[in-house]
Amino acid sequence: EPEVTQTPSHQVTQMGQEVILRCVPISNHLYFYWYRQILGQKVEFLVSFYNNEISEKSEIFDDQFSVERPDGSNFTLKIRSTKLEDSAMYFCASSGPSGRAGEQFFGPGTRLTVL
Amino acid sequence: GESVGLHLPTLSVQEGDNSIINCAYSNSASDYFIWYKQESGKGPQFIIDIRSNMDKRQGQRVTVLLNKTVKHLSLQIAATQPGDSAVYFCAENKNQAGTALIFGKGTTLSVSS
Repeated sequence: EPEVTQTPSHQVTQMGQEVILRCVPISNHLYFYWYRQILGQKVEFLVSFYNNEISEKSEIFDDQFSVERPDGSNFTLKIRSTKLEDSAMYFCASSGPSGRAGEQFFGPGTRLTVL
Repeated sequence: GESVGLHLPTLSVQEGDNSIINCAYSNSASDYFIWYKQESGKGPQFIIDIRSNMDKRQGQRVTVLLNKTVKHLSLQIAATQPGDSAVYFCAENKNQAGTALIFGKGTTLSVSS
């Protein structure tokens, strides 16, 4: 069964450093998303991406964040200058053209720890 | 304010019991509601969904009920098993591709043998 994959599973970085989180969405999916989950809290939407453009973004997704689809398979989230409060699980998700519009498939997540 | 939320943060049941997890939502414009299961260290996993033009939908051992009058969503799990232990989130969406899922806070279901 196809699935969303994410690398790395755990990233530790120093405050102020740049990090890139990587995702490989399900191959025939066209819509890609990033969410984050601070420990013990609910999952929060960051951004959605379609046709090489951001479709929707939340207030959390400020100028420190960017997304890119550098090739036909990868989807990345970059945080330019990490802050302590960026520590969270980051989930990538994708959804396809033929499935229910809201049915998004999630990857296993990357745990980001900012020291 | 929060659009989707859950009534109870934790629920403990015995194996074999039926479980009911509740959720209240506030956005009348939402068209689509989904229940996700999240096991420790994993991403949310789709369980079942329901459109706003329905009031009940059944899956394998799970049923989702939607009461639009009081803006209430529930997930019923029949014959709960230890493998059902996880955090359950309800989420809402406008049922348009590319739009955000808005999650509630989650209910931790613990199933004891």
